[in-house]
Amino acid sequence: QLVLTQSPSASASLGASVNLTCTLRSTGTTYAIAWHQQQTEKGPRFLMKVNRDGTYIKGDGIPDRFSGSISGAERYLTISSVQSEDDADYYCQTWGPAIRMFGGGTKLTVL
Amino acid sequence: QVQLVESGGGVVQPGRSLRLSCAASGFTFSNYGMHWVRQAPGKGLEWVAVISYDGTHTYYEDSVKGRFTISRDNSKNTLHLQMNSLRAEDTAVYYCARDQRIFGFGELCGYWGQGILVTVS
Repeated sequence: QLVLTQSPSASASLGASVNLTCTLRSTGTTYAIAWHQQQTEKGPRFLMKVNRDGTYIKGDGIPDRFSGSISGAERYLTISSVQSEDDADYYCQTWGPAIRMFGGGTKLTVL
Repeated sequence: QVQLVESGGGVVQPGRSLRLSCAASGFTFSNYGMHWVRQAPGKGLEWVAVISYDGTHTYYEDSVKGRFTISRDNSKNTLHLQMNSLRAEDTAVYYCARDQRIFGFGELCGYWGQGILVTVS
């Protein structure tokens, strides 16, 4: 069984850093995850893939202020020097045998 | 650049069928797994179905198994989603997405279309 859990909301002041968390619970092998951003009234955008060893591969044109990491069951998306355009919903995604799934999403509000 | 353009959405009565298509360009379509993902009004993303790059493997979310069929035509760079026995709870924006990894079985979404609205009412 595979479960992805995200906090429903988070906030950060303009120029500050913020960590968004995705908790991955699996009864079997754990896999890489992806982070996606969805701004209001827009389609999602792939931000990055975070591998099991904590390395990450970003999508085309994703700014340097976005990074990923892992610690135990936690998968992190870090946004340093938050900008107003980072105000959006953020989803983690993972996969397993015959299943793919998204976390419930975190709404990031930039103050 | 990668482009994914969905079509075929609209309003349909419960119990009826609808076929979505996704036209792909800007990459070698036959090298990538493809996904359908949906988003009900005001809700989060829900993965629906995936097909491997060569069409030999398909997987479905439990609530659509037996009702939806994902398929692809690599000669036309097109992805399809045949939706039968539609229910009110299938109402959502449907996105097609390209896999992040080349020659994968469709693990993670790497590029997204703009989405198409399906209303079952």
